[in-house]
Amino acid sequence: DGGITQSPKYLFRKEGQNVTLSCEQNLNHDAMYWYRQDPGQGLRLIYYSQIVNDFQKGDIAEGYSVSREKKESFPLTVTSAQKNPTAFYLCASSRGGTTSSYEQYFGPGTRLTVT
Amino acid sequence: QQQVKQSPQSLIVQKGGISIINCAYENTAFDYFPWYQQFPGKGPALLIAIRPDVSEKKEGRFTISFNKSAKQFSLHIMDSQPGDSATYFCAASMGAGNMLTFGGGTRLMVKP
Repeated sequence: DGGITQSPKYLFRKEGQNVTLSCEQNLNHDAMYWYRQDPGQGLRLIYYSQIVNDFQKGDIAEGYSVSREKKESFPLTVTSAQKNPTAFYLCASSRGGTTSSYEQYFGPGTRLTVT
Repeated sequence: QQQVKQSPQSLIVQKGGISIINCAYENTAFDYFPWYQQFPGKGPALLIAIRPDVSEKKEGRFTISFNKSAKQFSLHIMDSQPGDSATYFCAASMGAGNMLTFGGGTRLMVKP
């Protein structure tokens, strides 16, 4: 099956701890994205990467970090500097690159709770 | 700065009725306008999308209407069903592979 996987589905952490969320895709997509969704709100872009070994900050990058060492993987680290980390985190990918494809496809999400 | 404004925030429709969700954008450089459907606890799924060179696109019961001069676009769900109850997001993008700017979402409830 082709698609985007995020793990774990639920994650609990103590305040002050860094935590890494996994995102893997087997769609051979060049571009990958991380969004944050808070209850009853829209999606806000954290980071995106259009190619391996390159990534750009989105609208709310403070307190987060990413890496893109492999085409299929785009992990997100929520650091202790993120003031309100509890949220639903969504990873997405698109063909991107030099193609004319715009469609973004989303993973199932990880719900992070920090207490 | 919210570049895509979505309304209403919530909508209740009777089964068989028409659901209409509206979005307005500010940036005239946007050239791709998708709609996503999200069920609770799940990731959004691409429903239908339109480019500004057409004024309407229909896929089954779902239709996007696009008004370039007014910088507005809307989603119409014909013959709404209880299974359509979900949160709908409009979005806009500039160029292939670029990030999406999302509207705030509309929670739709279709009553049986």
